[in-house]
Amino acid sequence: AAGVIQSPRHLIKEKRETATLKCYPIPRHDTVYWYQQGPGQDPQFLISFYEKMQSDKGSIPDRFSAQQFSDYHSELNMSSLELGDSALYFCASTTYRGGGAKNIQYFGAGTRLSVL
Amino acid sequence: DQQVKQNSPSLSVQEGRISILNCDYTNSMFDYFLWYKKYPAEGPTFLISISSIKDKNEDGRFTVFLNKSAKHLSLHIVPSQPGDSAVYFCAASAQGGSEKLVFGKGTKLTVNP
Repeated sequence: AAGVIQSPRHLIKEKRETATLKCYPIPRHDTVYWYQQGPGQDPQFLISFYEKMQSDKGSIPDRFSAQQFSDYHSELNMSSLELGDSALYFCASTTYRGGGAKNIQYFGAGTRLSVL
Repeated sequence: DQQVKQNSPSLSVQEGRISILNCDYTNSMFDYFLWYKKYPAEGPTFLISISSIKDKNEDGRFTVFLNKSAKHLSLHIVPSQPGDSAVYFCAASAQGGSEKLVFGKGTKLTVNP
């Protein structure tokens, strides 16, 4: 079965540069979540989208922005990179079923961003 | 403020024995709980979940127990296999809203042959 695809898998940037992370959800999934996992930390929620609209926002710096496109893929744009942005960035997708039904989030393999 | 807590950073068990991983939570609004397994250099893989209206859910070798009054859940793996060695994350989501996941810090399980 098709899984969540994230690209690139690894990214090395210098301080103050910009980075774009991409996420392709499982086919027919309409909801995307972004999480950041620092070294030795638990994944922290950044932002989510449902049907191309932002549905929630967590501890995401103003330097970061994201969007979901018409084909449901999502991009996380990071500007003015700082050393502390070095982390694993995971994307997860699910399909919203409504009616109180709970949704399982399926994760991609992640993008490891290193800021030097 | 850590709303989901996994107090054991690591656990080591013998192959064939039971592995019990514990998780505590503080937010009463959480109504759905999930366990994910994570290997190095891979994303979290969904294992099993439980809704707050249940107290037990089973799937093969994996069983999750939920004690709402104690705000505690546990994952039982029986029998444990060396391939189960990984980091296990407990996660929770709250009713309503985006259902974003709040994770614990994970427990590294090592199953020794």
